[in-house]
Amino acid sequence: EDKVVQSPLSLVVHEGDTVTLNCSYEVTNFRSLLWYKQEKKAPTFLFMLTSSGIEKKSGRLSSILDKKELFSILNITATQTGDSAIYLCAVIPSGTYKYIFGTGTRLKVLA
Amino acid sequence: DVKVTQSSRYLVKRTGEKVFLECVQDMDHENMFWYRQDPGLGLRLIYFSYDVKMKEKGDIPEGYSVSREKKERFSLILESASTNQTSMYLCASSRGGLVKNIQYFGAGTRLSVL
Repeated sequence: EDKVVQSPLSLVVHEGDTVTLNCSYEVTNFRSLLWYKQEKKAPTFLFMLTSSGIEKKSGRLSSILDKKELFSILNITATQTGDSAIYLCAVIPSGTYKYIFGTGTRLKVLA
Repeated sequence: DVKVTQSSRYLVKRTGEKVFLECVQDMDHENMFWYRQDPGLGLRLIYFSYDVKMKEKGDIPEGYSVSREKKERFSLILESASTNQTSMYLCASSRGGLVKNIQYFGAGTRLSVL
């Protein structure tokens, strides 16, 4: 059965800390992996990764995929209270529109 | 910017009522999706549609039906609401094809069934 596992489930840090969120997967015929940020509204798209070893970066956020070890990490440097959210990881198998979501990591950044 | 709009942010219904959740997207996307999100279970796919009048069951379709009469609108119907359908419901859309079909989400409808 295809599955996506995120860790940790929740995390509390202080402003300025660096955090690493993990997403591991077991999927038949992997195509892509996506990260979303969900505050008290719509999940917003962060990154899509399809190739191993290529880092995607946007400001203080970055992500990388390891297709051999079947995981991805999302790094957030110099965290701010506005980074408090649930971070969702999803994997798309080949030949389908359907996403397989992890349960998310709830990040809380304290001032 | 892609906009996916869900008709209600909060909804309270009684057991046995028929409930309609509406979703509209403005990007001419072919695909539309309905999920429910529950603590500890993540997002689970209820139904999706890849074209007008076309639909496919997701992982948890029991107790739900859908309607897509127009490309921009995808409705989720709870024929007879039950308390175990209390949840956050999220709608999403994506363009057709299997390349870079990123899903864009609405803000969600938090449904309480009493």
